[in-house]
Amino acid sequence: SQKIEQNSEALNIQEGKTATLTCNYTNYSPAYLQWYRQDPGRGPVFLLLIRENEKEKRKERLKVTFDTTLKQSLFHITASQPADSATYLCALSQYNTDKLIFGTGTRLQVFP
Amino acid sequence: DAGVIQSPRHEVTEMGQEVTLRCKPISGHNSLFWYRQTMMRGLELLIYFNNNVPIDDSGMPEDRFSAKMPNASFSTLKIQPSEPRDSAVYFCASWKTENTGELFFGEGSRLTVL
Repeated sequence: SQKIEQNSEALNIQEGKTATLTCNYTNYSPAYLQWYRQDPGRGPVFLLLIRENEKEKRKERLKVTFDTTLKQSLFHITASQPADSATYLCALSQYNTDKLIFGTGTRLQVFP
Repeated sequence: DAGVIQSPRHEVTEMGQEVTLRCKPISGHNSLFWYRQTMMRGLELLIYFNNNVPIDDSGMPEDRFSAKMPNASFSTLKIQPSEPRDSAVYFCASWKTENTGELFFGEGSRLTVL
């Protein structure tokens, strides 16, 4: 069966360190993969998209990698700040479909 | 731009009652999605529309759930009759197909069925 897995345990890191979140998937052939941020009581907000033929994408302090052989994406936040504390969701879209399926998310807590 | 607008933000109802959730997508967006979020199951896709036409409703839990999109600026998700297990946050989201990538979410409708 198709599955998108993110670490359900919260990730706690110290301010200034790099946070690395993992998204693994099985039985998907994604055309692209996305990362979203969700704050409590709010809707998810788009951060980055990486296509299946791209290895890495950067945006300011954010970096995403995509390994279609390992079926894994890593999401990095460098020089993390307490304001980065939120839940981060990965999402996949299959070829020839607009269907966007989300993982369950990983909660990140950055403490001073 | 006003963003995706959902109403109501909060709804508390009793089991057996009909619930109608409403969504106004961003103007110019031609795809609309309904998701449900719970702690146990995360964010689940219920149904999505393209140019007001339902494309995939395989995520709709059962016949008690129905969704419509009568025009490009309005969609409803209806639950009749509602059950306690329907308690969740329901999100509506939209995007413009040719700009596939960024899905814009509303703030959600938190439904509690007693």
